[in-house]
Amino acid sequence: AQTVTQSQPEMSVQEAETVTLSCTYDTSESDYYLFWYKQPPSRQMILVIRQEAYKQQNATENRFSVNFQKAAKSFSLKISDSQLGDAAMYFCAYRAQGGSEKLVFGKGTKLTVNP
Amino acid sequence: KAGVTQTPRYLIKTRGQQVTLSCSPISGHRSVSWYQQTPGQGLQFLFEYFSETQRNKGNFPGRFSGRQFSNSRSEMNVSTLELGDSALYLCASRYRVGTGELFFGEGSRLTVL
Repeated sequence: AQTVTQSQPEMSVQEAETVTLSCTYDTSESDYYLFWYKQPPSRQMILVIRQEAYKQQNATENRFSVNFQKAAKSFSLKISDSQLGDAAMYFCAYRAQGGSEKLVFGKGTKLTVNP
Repeated sequence: KAGVTQTPRYLIKTRGQQVTLSCSPISGHRSVSWYQQTPGQGLQFLFEYFSETQRNKGNFPGRFSGRQFSNSRSEMNVSTLELGDSALYLCASRYRVGTGELFFGEGSRLTVL
């Protein structure tokens, strides 16, 4: 079974600084998808960024980028120019290719942004 | 357009009762999936539906069930509630399975006393 591990339960960053959240996963599949979701106190999960495993290029969405290391099964999220609104729980998630909706989530990292 | 709507947002039940949670997906979305979120176990997949058919089910006891209607709205039911069923139940929808972004609702917070 696939597993996703986030080793940092909590992280903090100063406003305008850069922070990296770590995620590792375990799978025997070669094609799959990886995601970072943000869950603010309002509870609604919001997609931050996605990565297809067959793509070697790291995904980027504005201030958010990933470092995808397929061989190491590592998928870290870098947040640049951190803003107060970035404070939230961040979840790394895995989905197998094949059409199933099932996401396997890590336990999450609580990010605090200090002014 | 309206997002994924879950009702009720909060509810309190006692052990042994049953509960039904509702999820209205984004208009046009036909794929709906459910997750349970607890502090101890994190986010766990419950089941997914597409065109009224359950396509996949997570590792939960038979007390957890669900269904999807012809208008894509979905309900999940938990019978014989246990204290451990206290959780945030999240619903997510997508246009169709595996395609496009998955949109989550704000969840239904269930407390079992």
